[in-house]
Amino acid sequence: EAQVTQNPRYLITVTGKKLTVTCSQNMNHEYMSWYRQDPGLGLRQIYYSMNVEVTDKGDVPEGYKVSRKEKRNFPLILESPSPNQTSLYFCASSLSEGYIPYGYTFGSGTRLTVV
Amino acid sequence: EDQVTQSPEALRLQEGESSSLNCSYTVSGLRGLFWYRQDPGKGPEFLFTLYSAGEEKEKERLKATLTKKESFLHITAPKPEDSATYLCAVSASGGSYIPTFGRGTSLIVHP
Repeated sequence: EAQVTQNPRYLITVTGKKLTVTCSQNMNHEYMSWYRQDPGLGLRQIYYSMNVEVTDKGDVPEGYKVSRKEKRNFPLILESPSPNQTSLYFCASSLSEGYIPYGYTFGSGTRLTVV
Repeated sequence: EDQVTQSPEALRLQEGESSSLNCSYTVSGLRGLFWYRQDPGKGPEFLFTLYSAGEEKEKERLKATLTKKESFLHITAPKPEDSATYLCAVSASGGSYIPTFGRGTSLIVHP
């Protein structure tokens, strides 16, 4: 089944404790992206990657890191989480053919709480 | 700055009562407009992509249309299982075509 898999599904952590949220897709998609979703603010992009070793900042990158060493994986790293990073996080992927945009396939989400 | 505005914010319908959701956009050049459905606590599910004014796409009770300034998602004879938040996103020309999402329309269909 074609899918984007995120782990963990739920995570409660303490301020300052480094964490990684994993994301993997099995569709050979070039384009991958991380979003956070907050009530009243909608979906906001954190980072995206056009292909292996190519990443760039989205709208709200502060406090986050990403890497794209393999085509299928795009982990999100919070080096020193703070309470304002409490949110629902989504990983997404899509085809990328020139400048033709395609719809995303989203993961099931990771609900992160930082206390 | 690219902007995407969805209306209404919330919509309550009776089962079978057809209606439309609106997505108006302001972008420098449209590459594509996307509709997604999102159930509570789950990831958005892709519905349609529209690339040019005049284009229409259909899927079951849903039909998406596109003009140069807005898109409509028409829901014909909705059922309770159509209850969800519907998101619109726009990809503009220039740069990396990062899509901008609207805040969504929350639809509740009562039996």
